[in-house]
Amino acid sequence: AQSVSQHNHHVILSEAASLELGCNYSYGGTVNLFWYVQYPGQHLQLLLKYFSGDPLVKGIKGFEAEFIKSKFSFNLRKPSVQWSDTAEYFCAVNAQGTDKLIFGTGTRLQVFP
Amino acid sequence: EPEVTQTPSHQVTQMGQEVILRCVPISNHLYFYWYRQILGQKVEFLVSFYNNEISEKSEIFDDQFSVERPDGSNFTLKIRSTKLEDSAMYFCASSGVTVYGYTFGSGTRLTVV
Repeated sequence: AQSVSQHNHHVILSEAASLELGCNYSYGGTVNLFWYVQYPGQHLQLLLKYFSGDPLVKGIKGFEAEFIKSKFSFNLRKPSVQWSDTAEYFCAVNAQGTDKLIFGTGTRLQVFP
Repeated sequence: EPEVTQTPSHQVTQMGQEVILRCVPISNHLYFYWYRQILGQKVEFLVSFYNNEISEKSEIFDDQFSVERPDGSNFTLKIRSTKLEDSAMYFCASSGVTVYGYTFGSGTRLTVV
């Protein structure tokens, strides 16, 4: 069965600090990978996704993620966070050939001015 | 930007009662989904729906749950006899091309008392 692990449950940063959120998945086949963000009181929004090709993908709001197949990882990064990045971040995996997303438990990011 | 709309935003119901959660997917989307998130836990897949039938469902989606697209615009999730453990945030999603284009709604918080 597929599973997704997000090791950082709660991250607290100051503005301008760099961010890296870990995501590892377990699945032997081909996967599509996603990062979603949920701002307080809002719906899940897609930050970025990886299907194939360049393993370094760039998303909205300055976020990027790198797929490292050998490590089954898809870590999210941002060089300089802003207060407005305060939100919950979810990594998700989809096994090719299925419709469903398997989510990690989420990482709550708090950015202080 | 097109949105997936969910109503109500919060519903409180007594244990054993039936509830219907409503969703209006994006109008030209063909694939519809329900997910749920119990407080403090991960977002979990419930069911996917395409061409007026269930295409995939999880173990959570037992006989107490059903989905319907009654009028070509709404997509509903019915829980026949609610249990305390059904308390969760329920997210509807739709996509035009399966997993590649998911859009999530803001969710309905269901509280079973």
